[in-house]
Amino acid sequence: GAVVSQHPSRVICKSGTSVKIECRSLDFQATTMFWYRQFPKKSLMLMATSNEGSKATYEQGVEKDKFLINHASLTLSTLTVTSAHPEDSSFYICSAPTGGGDEQFFGPGTRLTVL
Amino acid sequence: QQQVKQSPQSLIVQKGGISIINCAYENTAFDYFPWYQQFPGKGPALLIAIRPDVSEKKEGRFTISFNKSAKQFSLHIMDSQPGDSATYFCAASNSGTYKYIFGTGTRLKVLA
Repeated sequence: GAVVSQHPSRVICKSGTSVKIECRSLDFQATTMFWYRQFPKKSLMLMATSNEGSKATYEQGVEKDKFLINHASLTLSTLTVTSAHPEDSSFYICSAPTGGGDEQFFGPGTRLTVL
Repeated sequence: QQQVKQSPQSLIVQKGGISIINCAYENTAFDYFPWYQQFPGKGPALLIAIRPDVSEKKEGRFTISFNKSAKQFSLHIMDSQPGDSATYFCAASNSGTYKYIFGTGTRLKVLA
């Protein structure tokens, strides 16, 4: 299947700082990518849709000023958690469809810990 | 109406047994139903998916059964192995939107 990577895999930061997470499609182009958040032992919750060349669309209840998304190219989307607080600590996962069907491929996730 | 209900929350099966996980949805517009496997600290990996035009799909030891009238679908893992121990998520979406609604997950443990 197609490969989606994320960087970093783990990040620890101090409260009040900003953290950038990268999502890359390695062997295909993705005009759309998705960002999910997953709390321990919980399901994946869709946060936003990242659109190449246009603004991201956010799900209800997700603060767009806190979770900044930039889809810089057809293979890269970034999620920046601004002014991070301990409650933002979570597992962030991106996904991308190859466009050949309805299936999506997920990245390995980024574990964010805010102290 | 956007929820996908998944059961059981956890499941313990003996090696060689059959693992069965069930999901139910409400939105009749959903027309794509994938199952994902997730190991701790990893992203979900697609196992198998089905569309409403078929009632069953089998890939290796994994089978999806789909009941359109009941709005339910299930994953059967035949000859379960310890390596299958993971969390399984069902999901549903409208074809072409790629926006998945995930079930709550089932933690499967297969005893050696």
